[in-house]
Amino acid sequence: GAVVSQHPSWVICKSGTSVKIECRSLDFQATTMFWYRQFPKQSLMLMATSNEGSKATYEQGVEKDKFLINHASLTLSTLTVTSAHPEDSSFYICSARERTGYTGELFFGEGSRLTVL
Amino acid sequence: AQSVSQHNHHVILSEAASLELGCNYSYGGTVNLFWYVQYPGQHLQLLLKYFSGDPLVKGIKGFEAEFIKSKFSFNLRKPSVQWSDTAEYFCAVNARSTDKLIFGTGTRLQVFP
Repeated sequence: GAVVSQHPSWVICKSGTSVKIECRSLDFQATTMFWYRQFPKQSLMLMATSNEGSKATYEQGVEKDKFLINHASLTLSTLTVTSAHPEDSSFYICSARERTGYTGELFFGEGSRLTVL
Repeated sequence: AQSVSQHNHHVILSEAASLELGCNYSYGGTVNLFWYVQYPGQHLQLLLKYFSGDPLVKGIKGFEAEFIKSKFSFNLRKPSVQWSDTAEYFCAVNARSTDKLIFGTGTRLQVFP
Protein backbone atom coordinates (compact mmCIF):
# COMPACT_ATOMS: atom_id res chain seq x y z
CA GLY A 1 0.00 0.00 0.00
CA ALA A 2 0.88 3.65 -0.20
CA VAL A 3 3.44 4.89 2.29
CA VAL A 4 3.59 8.21 4.07
CA SER A 5 6.71 9.04 5.99
CA GLN A 6 7.22 11.69 8.64
CA HIS A 7 10.50 13.08 9.87
CA PRO A 8 11.62 13.47 12.55
CA SER A 9 9.63 10.91 14.51
CA TRP A 10 10.71 12.46 17.77
CA VAL A 11 12.08 15.91 18.54
CA ILE A 12 12.90 17.83 21.69
CA CYS A 13 13.46 21.57 21.52
CA LYS A 14 13.84 24.56 23.78
CA SER A 15 11.04 27.00 24.30
CA GLY A 16 11.17 29.81 21.75
CA THR A 17 12.78 27.82 18.97
CA SER A 18 11.15 26.66 15.75
CA VAL A 19 10.75 23.07 14.65
CA LYS A 20 10.04 21.74 11.17
CA ILE A 21 8.29 18.42 10.56
CA GLU A 22 8.28 16.86 7.12
CA CYS A 23 5.62 14.66 5.60
CA ARG A 24 6.43 12.74 2.44
CA SER A 25 4.36 10.49 0.24
CA LEU A 26 6.92 7.92 -0.85
CA ASP A 27 5.25 6.12 -3.72
CA PHE A 28 2.39 8.31 -4.83
CA GLN A 29 1.55 11.90 -5.55
CA ALA A 30 -0.49 13.65 -2.93
CA THR A 31 -2.34 16.74 -4.02
CA THR A 32 -3.87 17.08 -0.59
CA MET A 33 -2.30 16.49 2.79
CA PHE A 34 -3.85 16.92 6.20
CA TRP A 35 -2.15 17.77 9.47
CA TYR A 36 -3.52 16.47 12.75
CA ARG A 37 -2.60 16.92 16.36
CA GLN A 38 -3.17 14.18 18.90
CA PHE A 39 -3.05 14.81 22.62
CA PRO A 40 -2.33 11.90 24.96
CA LYS A 41 -5.20 9.44 25.07
CA GLN A 42 -7.33 11.70 22.90
CA SER A 43 -8.48 11.74 19.34
CA LEU A 44 -6.92 13.38 16.33
CA MET A 45 -7.74 17.02 15.88
CA LEU A 46 -7.59 18.33 12.34
CA MET A 47 -5.32 21.37 12.21
CA ALA A 48 -5.21 22.22 8.52
CA THR A 49 -5.67 21.01 5.00
CA SER A 50 -2.74 21.48 2.68
CA ASN A 51 -3.10 21.58 -1.09
CA GLU A 52 -0.06 21.50 -3.34
CA GLY A 53 0.83 24.92 -4.63
CA SER A 54 -1.68 26.86 -2.59
CA LYS A 55 -2.09 28.19 0.91
CA ALA A 56 -3.19 25.83 3.61
CA THR A 57 -6.70 26.00 5.02
CA TYR A 58 -6.64 26.14 8.79
CA GLU A 59 -9.31 24.93 11.17
CA GLN A 60 -10.92 27.32 13.56
CA GLY A 61 -8.76 27.96 16.58
CA VAL A 62 -5.49 26.96 14.92
CA GLU A 63 -3.00 29.82 14.68
CA LYS A 64 -1.73 29.99 11.12
CA ASP A 65 1.23 32.15 12.11
CA LYS A 66 2.31 29.63 14.69
CA PHE A 67 1.81 26.49 12.65
CA LEU A 68 3.22 27.24 9.21
CA ILE A 69 2.33 24.72 6.56
CA ASN A 70 4.00 24.51 3.19
CA HIS A 71 3.04 22.05 0.46
CA ALA A 72 5.64 22.85 -2.15
CA SER A 73 5.50 19.62 -4.14
CA LEU A 74 3.21 16.67 -4.76
CA THR A 75 5.22 14.52 -2.38
CA LEU A 76 6.18 16.87 0.42
CA SER A 77 4.38 18.98 2.99
CA THR A 78 6.03 20.61 5.98
CA LEU A 79 4.70 21.84 9.30
CA THR A 80 6.79 24.40 11.14
CA VAL A 81 5.97 25.11 14.74
CA THR A 82 7.29 28.62 15.30
CA SER A 83 8.40 29.96 18.66
CA ALA A 84 7.44 26.71 20.30
CA HIS A 85 6.13 26.64 23.86
CA PRO A 86 5.58 23.71 26.22
CA GLU A 87 1.85 23.71 25.43
CA ASP A 88 2.75 22.90 21.82
CA SER A 89 4.13 19.56 22.97
CA SER A 90 2.05 16.95 21.24
CA PHE A 91 1.94 14.20 18.65
CA TYR A 92 1.61 15.58 15.13
CA ILE A 93 0.34 13.32 12.39
CA CYS A 94 0.08 13.96 8.68
CA SER A 95 -1.99 12.14 6.14
CA ALA A 96 -2.02 12.20 2.37
CA ARG A 97 -4.70 11.50 -0.18
CA GLU A 98 -3.63 8.97 -2.76
CA ARG A 99 -5.66 10.33 -5.63
CA THR A 100 -7.23 13.63 -6.38
CA GLY A 101 -10.84 13.98 -5.50
CA TYR A 102 -13.19 13.01 -2.79
CA THR A 103 -12.90 9.25 -2.91
CA GLY A 104 -9.17 9.05 -2.55
CA GLU A 105 -8.10 7.03 0.45
CA LEU A 106 -6.03 8.71 3.14
CA PHE A 107 -2.76 7.24 4.34
CA PHE A 108 -1.17 8.27 7.58
CA GLY A 109 2.38 8.93 8.60
CA GLU A 110 3.92 7.45 11.71
CA GLY A 111 3.58 10.72 13.57
CA SER A 112 6.09 13.10 15.09
CA ARG A 113 6.29 13.59 18.82
CA LEU A 114 7.29 17.10 19.79
CA THR A 115 8.45 17.91 23.30
CA VAL A 116 9.11 21.54 24.12
CA LEU A 117 11.14 22.15 27.24
CA ALA B 1 -20.94 21.33 11.83
CA GLN B 2 -19.63 17.90 11.08
CA SER B 3 -18.98 15.75 14.16
CA VAL B 4 -18.35 12.14 15.09
CA SER B 5 -19.10 10.52 18.41
CA GLN B 6 -17.95 7.22 19.78
CA HIS B 7 -19.90 6.17 22.83
CA ASN B 8 -17.56 3.56 24.21
CA HIS B 9 -14.41 5.14 25.56
CA HIS B 10 -12.90 2.02 27.08
CA VAL B 11 -13.93 -1.54 26.42
CA ILE B 12 -12.52 -4.57 28.20
CA LEU B 13 -13.18 -8.04 26.84
CA SER B 14 -11.96 -11.56 27.19
CA GLU B 15 -10.65 -13.40 24.18
CA ALA B 16 -13.38 -14.93 21.99
CA ALA B 17 -15.95 -12.41 23.15
CA SER B 18 -17.90 -10.50 20.55
CA LEU B 19 -17.23 -6.82 19.94
CA GLU B 20 -19.38 -3.94 18.85
CA LEU B 21 -18.15 -0.36 18.94
CA GLY B 22 -20.60 2.43 18.30
CA CYS B 23 -20.05 5.36 15.97
CA ASN B 24 -22.53 8.09 15.13
CA TYR B 25 -22.01 11.14 13.02
CA SER B 26 -23.87 14.34 12.48
CA TYR B 27 -23.95 15.47 8.89
CA GLY B 28 -26.82 15.49 6.47
CA GLY B 29 -24.99 15.15 3.20
CA THR B 30 -23.02 12.47 1.45
CA VAL B 31 -20.25 10.96 3.50
CA ASN B 32 -17.49 8.40 3.38
CA LEU B 33 -16.98 6.44 6.57
CA PHE B 34 -13.87 4.85 7.99
CA TRP B 35 -12.61 2.86 10.92
CA TYR B 36 -8.94 3.15 11.80
CA VAL B 37 -6.93 1.21 14.35
CA GLN B 38 -3.87 2.38 16.24
CA TYR B 39 -1.85 -0.35 17.91
CA PRO B 40 0.38 0.71 20.79
CA GLY B 41 3.34 2.65 19.48
CA GLN B 42 2.24 2.39 15.87
CA HIS B 43 0.62 4.67 13.33
CA LEU B 44 -2.97 4.65 12.22
CA GLN B 45 -4.05 1.83 9.94
CA LEU B 46 -7.22 1.55 7.94
CA LEU B 47 -9.51 -1.27 9.08
CA LEU B 48 -12.31 -0.71 6.62
CA LYS B 49 -14.19 1.96 4.72
CA TYR B 50 -17.58 2.65 3.24
CA PHE B 51 -18.04 4.79 0.16
CA SER B 52 -21.22 3.43 -1.41
CA GLY B 53 -23.06 0.21 -2.21
CA ASP B 54 -23.55 -2.63 0.27
CA PRO B 55 -23.87 -1.02 3.69
CA LEU B 56 -22.22 -4.01 5.34
CA VAL B 57 -18.52 -3.73 4.72
CA LYS B 58 -15.84 -6.19 5.62
CA GLY B 59 -12.35 -5.16 6.55
CA ILE B 60 -9.10 -6.68 7.60
CA LYS B 61 -8.59 -9.05 10.52
CA GLY B 62 -12.20 -10.18 10.64
CA PHE B 63 -13.71 -6.78 11.32
CA GLU B 64 -16.89 -5.56 9.71
CA ALA B 65 -19.07 -2.49 9.98
CA GLU B 66 -22.62 -1.65 9.03
CA PHE B 67 -23.71 1.72 7.72
CA ILE B 68 -27.25 2.58 8.78
CA LYS B 69 -28.07 5.82 7.07
CA SER B 70 -31.30 6.44 8.96
CA LYS B 71 -29.43 6.25 12.23
CA PHE B 72 -26.31 8.06 11.05
CA SER B 73 -24.36 5.14 12.44
CA PHE B 74 -21.39 3.07 11.37
CA ASN B 75 -20.79 0.51 14.11
CA LEU B 76 -17.77 -1.75 14.09
CA ARG B 77 -18.14 -5.44 14.89
CA LYS B 78 -16.05 -8.55 15.30
CA PRO B 79 -17.55 -11.90 16.29
CA SER B 80 -14.57 -13.13 18.29
CA VAL B 81 -11.79 -10.86 19.49
CA GLN B 82 -8.20 -11.83 20.07
CA TRP B 83 -5.58 -10.51 22.46
CA SER B 84 -3.83 -8.94 19.47
CA ASP B 85 -6.87 -6.72 18.87
CA THR B 86 -5.88 -4.63 21.87
CA ALA B 87 -5.61 -1.14 20.42
CA GLU B 88 -7.28 2.24 20.01
CA TYR B 89 -10.08 2.35 17.45
CA PHE B 90 -11.15 5.52 15.69
CA CYS B 91 -14.22 6.15 13.60
CA ALA B 92 -13.83 8.88 11.00
CA VAL B 93 -16.15 10.65 8.60
CA ASN B 94 -15.27 12.46 5.41
CA ALA B 95 -17.99 14.75 4.15
CA ARG B 96 -18.06 15.53 0.48
CA SER B 97 -18.86 19.18 0.92
CA THR B 98 -16.05 19.93 3.36
CA ASP B 99 -13.55 17.33 2.18
CA LYS B 100 -12.29 16.97 5.73
CA LEU B 101 -11.72 13.74 7.62
CA ILE B 102 -13.03 14.20 11.13
CA PHE B 103 -12.25 11.66 13.82
CA GLY B 104 -14.25 10.46 16.76
CA THR B 105 -12.77 10.48 20.23
CA GLY B 106 -11.60 6.90 19.96
CA THR B 107 -12.30 3.71 21.87
CA ARG B 108 -9.61 1.92 23.77
CA LEU B 109 -10.07 -1.84 23.53
CA GLN B 110 -8.32 -4.18 25.91
CA VAL B 111 -8.57 -7.89 25.33
CA PHE B 112 -7.41 -10.27 28.03
CA PRO B 113 -6.40 -13.87 27.36
